[in-house]
Amino acid sequence: DVQLVESGGGLVQPGGSLRLSCSASGFTFKIYSMYWVRQAPGKGLEFVAGINNKGENTEYADSVKDRFTISRDNSKNTISLQMSSLRPEDTAVYFCVRENWYFDYWGQGTLVTVSS
Amino acid sequence: EIVMTQSPATLSVSPGERATLSCRASQSVASKLAWLQQRPGQAPRLLIYATSTRATGVPARFSGSGSGTEFTLTISGLQSEDFAVYYCQQYNDWPRTFGQGTKVE
Repeated sequence: DVQLVESGGGLVQPGGSLRLSCSASGFTFKIYSMYWVRQAPGKGLEFVAGINNKGENTEYADSVKDRFTISRDNSKNTISLQMSSLRPEDTAVYFCVRENWYFDYWGQGTLVTVSS
Repeated sequence: EIVMTQSPATLSVSPGERATLSCRASQSVASKLAWLQQRPGQAPRLLIYATSTRATGVPARFSGSGSGTEFTLTISGLQSEDFAVYYCQQYNDWPRTFGQGTKVE
């Protein structure tokens, strides 16, 4: 079965940094693009960042560009999201998502809270 | 970016009834439209892709239709587990964008 397990969430002060990780299993990781999608409390879904299967191409939402960096390690079946200069509006559950053109598998998410 | 607009925001229906949810794109997405279901406290789950193809394990009471800019998700004979929030998502262009969701209560 496809499994995506996120980790690394927590409480961080405004301006701080945090690194999220996603461990994938149950499929051939290296052939899929992967994404981070977030959901602020009580709100809808927002694309954050994506990376193609080889890690050569990345895409970011305007709201996180120049602050967040997505990366992947195909030898370890993991993706990461390095988040810096965090703002209160970055508070959300962050989901790791597999893309098969559409977003077909989602992790359970990890909560990031940005607050002083 | 392509803006996805869902209506209504909330849909009140009774078990056994039919629910019809709408999704409109600000420009054509061809047939590259997916529907996701999110139950309280859970991650989103893919229901339908390519406008009308049900994902693995999705019951036949869920059906999708439309093309271009207008899409519909129909749930026939609502069951208790279907009360949730439903999102449409386009994957025809970057960035991938979602509707704001329809809550079926």
